[in-house]
Amino acid sequence: SSELTQDPAVSVALGQTVTITCQGDSLKKYYAGWHQQKPGQAPVVVFYGKDNRPSGIPERFSGFGSGPTASLTITGAQAEDEADYYCSSRDTTGNLLLFGGGTRLTVL
Amino acid sequence: EVHLVESGGGFVLPGRSLRLSCTTSGFTFRDHSLSWVRQAPGKGLEWIGFITNKASGGTITYAASVKGRFFLSRDDSKSIAYLQMNSLQPEDTGVYYCARDLGTAGPYYFDGWGQGTRVTVSS
Repeated sequence: SSELTQDPAVSVALGQTVTITCQGDSLKKYYAGWHQQKPGQAPVVVFYGKDNRPSGIPERFSGFGSGPTASLTITGAQAEDEADYYCSSRDTTGNLLLFGGGTRLTVL
Repeated sequence: EVHLVESGGGFVLPGRSLRLSCTTSGFTFRDHSLSWVRQAPGKGLEWIGFITNKASGGTITYAASVKGRFFLSRDDSKSIAYLQMNSLQPEDTGVYYCARDLGTAGPYYFDGWGQGTRVTVSS
């Protein structure tokens, strides 16, 4: 299929670990990118590909992909991690880019 | 540091046109591809187009929602990418972002976003 599916909302206690998932057929072939967006701000890339974390992104952000599921794990979530998280990946043809619907992360 | 700045947004009547610019710095523009993404008010991210560099063949691809109305181009001498938007409709309202794309044959991973420019299409 040509879509990526994310849970609409996830919550985590401060300092605990949370995993945000993304599902889609194209993820069997391509790794995902992950984008954090805080209210009123532009998105920021926090992880992409097999094991790439952009400069300046804390090490607590890590990505993993297996079959039709990609995941973003935040180990020791901080208050400033509260945001919307979007996954992205090529579609099954490799010609277009898809975004998941986004997951709103609440840090309790 | 990768830096992208969008400009050219504004208020436009339905059926009219608008050209957005993505001015870049901090990297060798001619060596990189770019994608454009939009976000309708209160909605998620929607990829709308990709343009690769000349060395990779100058490939341009569009999402079905804008194909035939929106056109991407680039000026390597100025390190600027453009998004020409024609026949604008109210559903094209949103914030438009450019992003540096690491893909060569097609869109792939981003490693930097611009701050966005707002487009409002309304009568």
